[in-house]
Amino acid sequence: AQSVTQLDSHVSVSEGTPVLLRCNYSSSYSPSLFWYVQHPNKGLQLLLKYTSAATLVKGINGFEAEFKKSETSFHLTKPSAHMSDAAEYFCVVSEGTYKYIFGTGTRLKVLA
Amino acid sequence: SQTIHQWPATLVQPVGSPLSLECTVEGTSNPNLYWYRQAAGRGLQLLFYSVGIGQISSEVPQNLSASRPQDRQFILSSKKLLLSDSGFYLCAWRSTGSNQPQHFGDGTRLSIL
Repeated sequence: AQSVTQLDSHVSVSEGTPVLLRCNYSSSYSPSLFWYVQHPNKGLQLLLKYTSAATLVKGINGFEAEFKKSETSFHLTKPSAHMSDAAEYFCVVSEGTYKYIFGTGTRLKVLA
Repeated sequence: SQTIHQWPATLVQPVGSPLSLECTVEGTSNPNLYWYRQAAGRGLQLLFYSVGIGQISSEVPQNLSASRPQDRQFILSSKKLLLSDSGFYLCAWRSTGSNQPQHFGDGTRLSIL
């Protein structure tokens, strides 16, 4: 069965420092993996997706994620945090069917 | 390009009243459509999904229902709202085929009094 674990419910970083949001998944097949960002009272916006092509995936707003099959991880990173990055981030796994499994979210706080 | 619209953005309803939330998608045909609920500080709970007109699958037993009267229209309804129906409701679509991402509307904040 599929599952997603976001290892940190809250992460705080200073503006201009790197961001690391951790995600581990469990899947019986070759999964598709996604990261979404949600600002308050807004819908989820797709940041990036992995679908068995390159293991390092670049997304919007300077974010990227690396798929590591041996570690069953898909961590989201950004070299330098900006105040506008403060939001909630969701890691999502799909096995190609209609269903998507969402992590419980990581709230990113960016300190001035 | 494709767009998704949800309305209303916010809604305050008394317990026992009916509900109708609407979602429409533009710029694509035969999308898969979804309704999710997001409780405060929690992840997303899948309520319904649809792969075509009139085809609705329910994921969670509850007093909500969904309908898809047109290809790009998805409606979430209730005959009698409960306090526990409060939450943030999100509509999403995806293209058919494997490994497609979902795309979300801006959501409806529903408060039950």
